[in-house]
Amino acid sequence: GESVGLHLPTLSVQEGDNSIINCAYSNSASDYFIWYKQESGKGPQFIIDIRSNMDKRQGQRVTVLLNKTVKHLSLQIAATQPGDSAVYFCAENAGNMLTFGGGTRLMVKP
Amino acid sequence: DTGVSQDPRHKITKRGQNVTFRCDPISEHNRLYWYRQTLGQGPEFLTYFQNEAQLEKSRLLSDRFSAERPKGSFSTLEIQRTEQGDSAMYLCASSRQGLEQYFGPGTRLTVT
Repeated sequence: GESVGLHLPTLSVQEGDNSIINCAYSNSASDYFIWYKQESGKGPQFIIDIRSNMDKRQGQRVTVLLNKTVKHLSLQIAATQPGDSAVYFCAENAGNMLTFGGGTRLMVKP
Repeated sequence: DTGVSQDPRHKITKRGQNVTFRCDPISEHNRLYWYRQTLGQGPEFLTYFQNEAQLEKSRLLSDRFSAERPKGSFSTLEIQRTEQGDSAMYLCASSRQGLEQYFGPGTRLTVT
């Protein structure tokens, strides 16, 4: 079946640097995408979303880019902080449910 | 706190026992979702409600699983005759129709 996946399972960055987390999706019918952050022992926390009619959306220190041609989604975190350390999931919505990828662990080095 | 809440946060049960989890969504949200998450994986959709109607169920939701949302507010997820393979984090989320889903803290189930 079609699924959402992530390129890298672990990303290690220096505090203050920018982070880029990538995601590939395969369901061309997906019209809505969300990035979630999940800390250990907690539920996923909504970060930012984007609809398929957009290429880019910015939030506070985060930017999501959507490339529908190659079915690629990325999350950019500016000036990464220790509090950003977590597992990040992208999710796609092609109906009434979210399909999640396997997650990328972001580790921030002081 | 006006977020999604779940109870209990942790449940340890013996194989063969029945367990029930509760989810209280954000009050103005008409949609409520249940997901299951195992270690190192993303959440997997189980079922969702719009108001009190259960509109979709995943094939992951075997006949030992049942979910209800009788008054369109809180929901319960029951697992009968638990198996070790049911050990996971059970997550609840809610949303206003068509908008982003907000997750609760989850109930971690351990079946011994």
